[in-house]
Amino acid sequence: DAKTTQPTSMDCAEGRAANLPCNHSTISGNEYVYWYRQIHSQGPQYIIHGLKNNETNEMASLIITEDRKSSTLILPHATLRDTAVYYCIVSVRNSGGYQKVTFGTGTKLQVIP
Amino acid sequence: DADVTQTPRNRITKTGKRIMLECSQTKGHDRMYWYRQDPGLGLRLIYYSFDVKDINKGEISDGYSVSRQAQAKFSLSLESAIPNQTALYFCATAGTQETQYFGPGTRLLVL
Repeated sequence: DAKTTQPTSMDCAEGRAANLPCNHSTISGNEYVYWYRQIHSQGPQYIIHGLKNNETNEMASLIITEDRKSSTLILPHATLRDTAVYYCIVSVRNSGGYQKVTFGTGTKLQVIP
Repeated sequence: DADVTQTPRNRITKTGKRIMLECSQTKGHDRMYWYRQDPGLGLRLIYYSFDVKDINKGEISDGYSVSRQAQAKFSLSLESAIPNQTALYFCATAGTQETQYFGPGTRLLVL
């Protein structure tokens, strides 16, 4: 069973913020939220991860709700190069063993000029 | 230079042939993975390895085998290729922190 649900597709105007939602209502207390993206059949690229606090790096911001049942990835100023499929994943960190990571089908973000 | 490399990048083969896809990494990670991706679908795990002496089956290992020749090298073999193994194959590595780093992919066509 999928651990996360995401919209199939979204559009965003170039230069505007892209807000990509993800629901993970069955997330466990020790599971992190990870975001990856895949640009046109290239290898998926790690973007950001978080446990319960909001996180920001040079690529994006991650906002996690207080109950941790959903999160939003924010690309503050989307460019055409951000057009990609975005995957939201939950996984334990420092597990010491394999944790099944299900990429699902993600959200296809189309940045429009 | 790329941290995770895959060879070949593209391959066409015939049904029944044995082929090998290779993956090398310079990240010093112990964990390595092989995935396949079919059009419109997500990634599915074929095999994974936590160190040179550790090999584990993933979701869809039938028809595939792997070899972990060294910490930095993890090869995927299709023992007898069939057309429904036509797909995009990705290798990935991870350290103990679970974040995965992917190679550029190998596009395989089995005729």
